[in-house]
Amino acid sequence: GAVVSQHPSRVICKSGTSVKIECRSLDFQATTMFWYRQFPKQSLMLMATSNEGSKATYEQGVEKDKFLINHASLTLSTLTVTSAHPEDSSFYICSATQGVYGYTFGSGTRLTVV
Amino acid sequence: AQTVTQSQPEMSVQEAETVTLSCTYDTSESDYYLFWYKQPPSRQMILVIRQEAYKQQNATENRFSVNFQKAAKSFSLKISDSQLGDAAMYFCAYRSARDPTGNQFYFGTGTSLTVIP
Repeated sequence: GAVVSQHPSRVICKSGTSVKIECRSLDFQATTMFWYRQFPKQSLMLMATSNEGSKATYEQGVEKDKFLINHASLTLSTLTVTSAHPEDSSFYICSATQGVYGYTFGSGTRLTVV
Repeated sequence: AQTVTQSQPEMSVQEAETVTLSCTYDTSESDYYLFWYKQPPSRQMILVIRQEAYKQQNATENRFSVNFQKAAKSFSLKISDSQLGDAAMYFCAYRSARDPTGNQFYFGTGTSLTVIP
C-alpha cells in the first residue's frame, strides 16, 4: 500500500532556530500534501495544503512566514518552522493523497522547542 | 465549512464486548466520504473504515462496522469483540467528493477508547 515517510520523528531545537520536517511519498506521486498540527489530546488541525510546483495554501491564522512549505517534487514536501519558539512545540503530521481513497498519513514529528 | 462532532471524549469497554462511538457532521454537500481513523499511542493515523455517502449499505471491516444515517448526518462506529489493541484515540473525519485528490479532511475532536481486560 501507499507509504508516506515523515522525518524526523522527533526533534528538539533551541528557541530562535529553524527546523525542517520532510514528508515523502515512497511509492506513489502526490500532487497534493497536507500539513496538520496536533496538540496533546486534541484533534488534527489543518495548517496548509501543499501543491507540487505552486505556493502552499495556508489556513486562516497560520503564519506563512513562520511555517514555510515547499513542495518541489511529486514525492517530497517540506515544512520549515522558522525562528521557532516554545509555543511552536507540537506534533506535526503530513499526509498525501493518491486518487479518491488514498489518503495516507506520515508517522508524525514531535517538535520540542527549548 | 463542514464540521464534525464527536460528543464522547472518552469511552471504555470490557474486552470482548461491543462499543459504539458516535459521530455527527454538518454539510450541505450531497457527495462525500466519511472515515474513522485510529490513533494509538504511537500517534500514527490508521484508517479503520470508510463510507461513501452515495452508498446506502453500511461499510464493514471485520470487527468494525458503521451505522451511516445520511439524513440524520450520523456516522457511528461499532467495534465488536473488543480487543486490548483497540485502545486508542478514534477520529471521525469528513472529506468532500468534489475534488478527491485535493480536498482536506475535517476531523472530529476524537474519542479516547479504553479497553478493560
